[in-house]
Amino acid sequence: GAVVSQHPSWVICKSGTSVKIECRSLDFQATTMFWYRQFPKQSLMLMATSNEGSKATYEQGVEKDKFLINHASLTLSTLTVTSAHPEDSSFYICSARVPSKNIQYFGAGTRLSVL
Amino acid sequence: RKEVEQDPGPFNVPEGATVAFNCTYSNSASQSFFWYRQDCRKEPKLLMSVYSSGNEDGRFTAQLNRASQYISLLIRDSKLSDSATYLCVAGGAQKLVFGQGTRLTINP
Repeated sequence: GAVVSQHPSWVICKSGTSVKIECRSLDFQATTMFWYRQFPKQSLMLMATSNEGSKATYEQGVEKDKFLINHASLTLSTLTVTSAHPEDSSFYICSARVPSKNIQYFGAGTRLSVL
Repeated sequence: RKEVEQDPGPFNVPEGATVAFNCTYSNSASQSFFWYRQDCRKEPKLLMSVYSSGNEDGRFTAQLNRASQYISLLIRDSKLSDSATYLCVAGGAQKLVFGQGTRLTINP
């Protein structure tokens, strides 16, 4: 399958700081990437769809000013959690859709812990 | 009602058993269907796509019934390494919706 790299894999930060997570498609160009969040023992919840060269599309209830998404190239999307709080602690996972297919391949995820 | 519903389990079965998972989806406009597996504290990995004609990959068989909006996964001759959470996925061109997952544990 296609390779998607996500970095960092683990972040511990203080409340009020901002955290940037990177998602890269390594062997294909992804015009569309997705950002999910997963709380323990729950399913993946789509936060936003990241479109290369345009604004991200956010799901209902997700604050776009808190979760900043940038998709500046065909292989890189970034998610910045601004002014993180303990309730933002979660497993954040990105995925990239393979062009011409509707299959998503996932990055390894970023475990965020906000103290 | 959740858009994609699965029995959360857990399913505990002995090694070698056959296991069946079911899933229903509510959006009749869904066009793409998949099963992913997710190991503890890891990202989901694509197990197989699901087609109306049914498809098989080794010990795994997936079926789709569009009329009843029902997806199934059958695992034959289960192995210890099959222990994971299995995610049912339905979606269209814009996004995929994941079920909450069914947790499976294969016991020696």
